[in-house]
Amino acid sequence: GEDVEQSLFLSVREGDSSVINCTYTDSSSTYLYWYKQEPGAGLQLLTYIFSNMDMKQDQRLTVLLNKKDKHLSLRIADTQTGDSAIYFCAESRNRDDKIIFGKGTRLHILP
Amino acid sequence: DAGVIQSPRHEVTEMGQEVTLRCKPISGHNSLFWYRQTMMRGLELLIYFNNNVPIDDSGMPEDRFSAKMPNASFSTLKIQPSEPRDSAVYFCASSFYQGASGELFFGEGSRLTVL
Repeated sequence: GEDVEQSLFLSVREGDSSVINCTYTDSSSTYLYWYKQEPGAGLQLLTYIFSNMDMKQDQRLTVLLNKKDKHLSLRIADTQTGDSAIYFCAESRNRDDKIIFGKGTRLHILP
Repeated sequence: DAGVIQSPRHEVTEMGQEVTLRCKPISGHNSLFWYRQTMMRGLELLIYFNNNVPIDDSGMPEDRFSAKMPNASFSTLKIQPSEPRDSAVYFCASSFYQGASGELFFGEGSRLTVL
């Protein structure tokens, strides 16, 4: 079956790096996503990675994929107060298939 | 461009009443998804449509829930009769599956409280 697991909370000091981890069970996952949800809003896509990639970098964001261990991580460099949100890991087999989400990691920024 | 539009944003109702949530997807998108978000269970996929046809409704909790998509620009999620355990935020999302990533575009959600 399909399942996506991630820790529920993470606290990081402003200016430090945040690393949010995720594991998934479906070996057929082709697309792996990170979505961000700010209070009172819907989710927004932050970044995604194909299963044939190991790493993707986009400004302050770095995504690492270990396909063998089915482990995905999101690193946010120089964490800012505006990064405070819930971050969801998600996966799908195909781009027209359903997307399965983890429960989300609430990132709290300490001053 | 307008994003995914959901209504109502907030609904408070009493147990046993019928609830109808509405969604207008982004024009040109051909997939539509209904999700439910609660603290305990996170974000659950209820049902999704491709080209107005329901593809997978295995996440619909029980017969009290039904969803329709009569045309490409409108979908409803109905709960009849509603129960307190249905209290949650219900999200509609749409996507263009020929797009590069299958990115979902979410509405702002409908917060349902059943007393």
